[in-house]
Amino acid sequence: QSVLTQPPSASGTPGQRVTISCSGSSSNIGSNYVYWYQQLPGRAPKLLIYRNNQRPPGVPGRFSGSKSGTSASLAISGLRSEDEADYYCAAWDDTTPPDPPNWVFGGGTKLTVL
Amino acid sequence: QITLKESGPTLVKPTQTLTLTCTFSGFSLSTSAVGVGWIRQPPGEALEWLALIYWNDDKRYSPSLKSRLTITKDTSKNQVVLIMTNMDPVDTATYFCAHSIVGATAFDYWGQGTLVTVSS
Repeated sequence: QSVLTQPPSASGTPGQRVTISCSGSSSNIGSNYVYWYQQLPGRAPKLLIYRNNQRPPGVPGRFSGSKSGTSASLAISGLRSEDEADYYCAAWDDTTPPDPPNWVFGGGTKLTVL
Repeated sequence: QITLKESGPTLVKPTQTLTLTCTFSGFSLSTSAVGVGWIRQPPGEALEWLALIYWNDDKRYSPSLKSRLTITKDTSKNQVVLIMTNMDPVDTATYFCAHSIVGATAFDYWGQGTLVTVSS
């Protein structure tokens, strides 16, 4: 059971806008940045969004991130077939004092482009 | 250009100790704010963070695996080593190492991963 909760699946048709949610708590999303990763089949994950809504160089503007309270979302607009992948949210989690924060991933969302 | 590559055994027996090496280029682990972490992914399952080491030798571990993990760095060789003791078949996974920057990007560059199977 992941600390961050994502829907197991999502789908959309080409050109559509889809959103993937990530629910956490005050010790992770509520007090730390959220990150999003895309994992194409058989490949290593790729950083899509950092610090809630920042895109690394080379990531298309179709991908956007947002955060509100203890939840975050990844939005993909103008859906394309190559966006079919697994998407993971992640954040630091402060639940284990006096131990330092630990990194947590969501359970992942499989996006299907119909 | 930042690259990372994982190396180690592909097959280990239950109760054995796993040693994985991440060899990287394009950055230095002696540079302030730089870190290298390990993440694993069992077949068909989600990503799981294992450990992270920073330029200043600060180390972080997954609470659930902390007793079994040791992460070290060799700055002169551009390597980070992860040791996991008492391996079990449930530890069968692809193990990734990844580059990170404190307070900024996190795991922005990844290795290709190495599949480790635990079986007798």
